[in-house]
Amino acid sequence: GQQVMQIPQYQHVQEGEDFTTYCNSSTTLSNIQWYKQRPGGHPVFLIQLVKSGEVKKQKRLTFQFGEAKKNSSLHITATQTTDVGTYFCAGKISSGSARQLTFGSGTQLTVLP
Amino acid sequence: DSGVTQTPKHLITATGQRVTLRCSPRSGDLSVYWYQQSLDQGLQFLIQYYNGEERAKGNILERFSAQQFPDLHSELNLSSLELGDSALYFCASSVGGAGEAFFGQGTRLTVV
Repeated sequence: GQQVMQIPQYQHVQEGEDFTTYCNSSTTLSNIQWYKQRPGGHPVFLIQLVKSGEVKKQKRLTFQFGEAKKNSSLHITATQTTDVGTYFCAGKISSGSARQLTFGSGTQLTVLP
Repeated sequence: DSGVTQTPKHLITATGQRVTLRCSPRSGDLSVYWYQQSLDQGLQFLIQYYNGEERAKGNILERFSAQQFPDLHSELNLSSLELGDSALYFCASSVGGAGEAFFGQGTRLTVV
């Protein structure tokens, strides 16, 4: 079936270090979204990428969408303790008349002070 | 506050029982999604409705069913509950079939 794979599953970094999570799809995506879930919370939308090769920045966060629209990455520069949480990518897979948002398994980020 | 309301927040029930989880989407959103999140796991897509009609189905068990009503609220019915059904169930809504999804706070189901 159609899947969105995300690596790594867990990442521990020292505060101030950089962090990257990668997302790969077995099929071409119409768009990719990124969400953040704080411990005990619910996923919150961060950003959506639509165009092939698109790069978007939000302060210390950089999001990329691959040229083939099958992979994406989220990079955080100089992590802070407030970055703690699980980061999910979610690909919009078009299948006939249905559009389904398929989430990756998430990367759980721990930032050590 | 995402604007998506889920009730109840917590639910404890015994194996073999049936429960109903309720979701009210954001005003104006036509799509409702249901996801299951087990402990330290990712989000498993269960089902999507769009304006009252089933739009997409994921790994939803036959014991589970859902519907979206004319006022666009949705209910997820879980029957013949098993211990393994214990999880956090999220509802999300979006304007259409694309675009950002807004998640509710979730319903934590514990089956004992």
